[in-house]
Amino acid sequence: GENVEQHPSTLSVQEGDSAVIKCTYSDSASNYFPWYKQELGKRPQLIIDIRSNVGEKKDQRIAVTLNKTAKHFSLHITETQPEDSAVYFCAASMVPNKFYFGSGTKLNVKP
Amino acid sequence: EAGVAQSPRYKIIEKRQSVAFWCNPISGHATLYWYQQILGQGPKLLIQFQNNGVVDDSQLPKDRFSAERLKGVDSTLKIQPAKLEDSAVYLCASSLDQYREGSREYFGPGTRLTVL
Repeated sequence: GENVEQHPSTLSVQEGDSAVIKCTYSDSASNYFPWYKQELGKRPQLIIDIRSNVGEKKDQRIAVTLNKTAKHFSLHITETQPEDSAVYFCAASMVPNKFYFGSGTKLNVKP
Repeated sequence: EAGVAQSPRYKIIEKRQSVAFWCNPISGHATLYWYQQILGQGPKLLIQFQNNGVVDDSQLPKDRFSAERLKGVDSTLKIQPAKLEDSAVYLCASSLDQYREGSREYFGPGTRLTVL
C-alpha cells in the first residue's frame, strides 16, 4: 500500500517567519493530497488540498506544491502567527479514496 | 451544512470491558471511515464503508473490533474486550463518494477512549 513520510516531526519558528513541511509518498497512483491542521483535543481540519494535475495551489498565507516526478509535496505557511501553532498532517489518496496519513508535524510559532 | 457527529466524546473503561462508538456522517456522504489516532501519531484507518458495504477492513483487529453501517448512514464501532493499547481517539470521517477523485474527507470531533 501507500506509504507517506512527513518531515520534520517538530518545527519551531518565530512569528512572522515562514514554515515549510514536506511529505513524500510511494505510490505513483496517488492523485489527491490534502493537508490537515489539528489543534490540541480537536478534530483534523482540512486547510488546503491539491490534485495531481496541478503543481501549486495557494490560499492566502498557505500554499502547497506538488512534484509528481519526485513524489513529494510540501506545505508552505508564510507570515506565521501564534494561532498557526498546531499539528499538521499530510495525506495521500487515490480512487477509490483511501487516505494515507503522514505522522504529523508539530508547529510552534513563538510570539 | 451539519458536520460529522460522534458520541460519546469521552469514555473511560476498564480492560476487558466493552465499548461502542456512534457516528453520523454528513448527509449524502456515501463513504464513511473509522480511524484510530494514538497520541502523537497520524490517524490510522480501521475500516472504510461505501454505503453499507465494507471497502477495506484490513487494519481492523477483527478478534476484538467490529463495525457496521447497516442502513448506509450511521455507523457503530465496537471493541470487545478492550485492551490497554486501545486507548486512543477514535475518529469518524465521511466523504461524498470514494469513487470521485479528490472527494474531500471531513472529520468528526472524535471519541477519546481511555482503558484502565
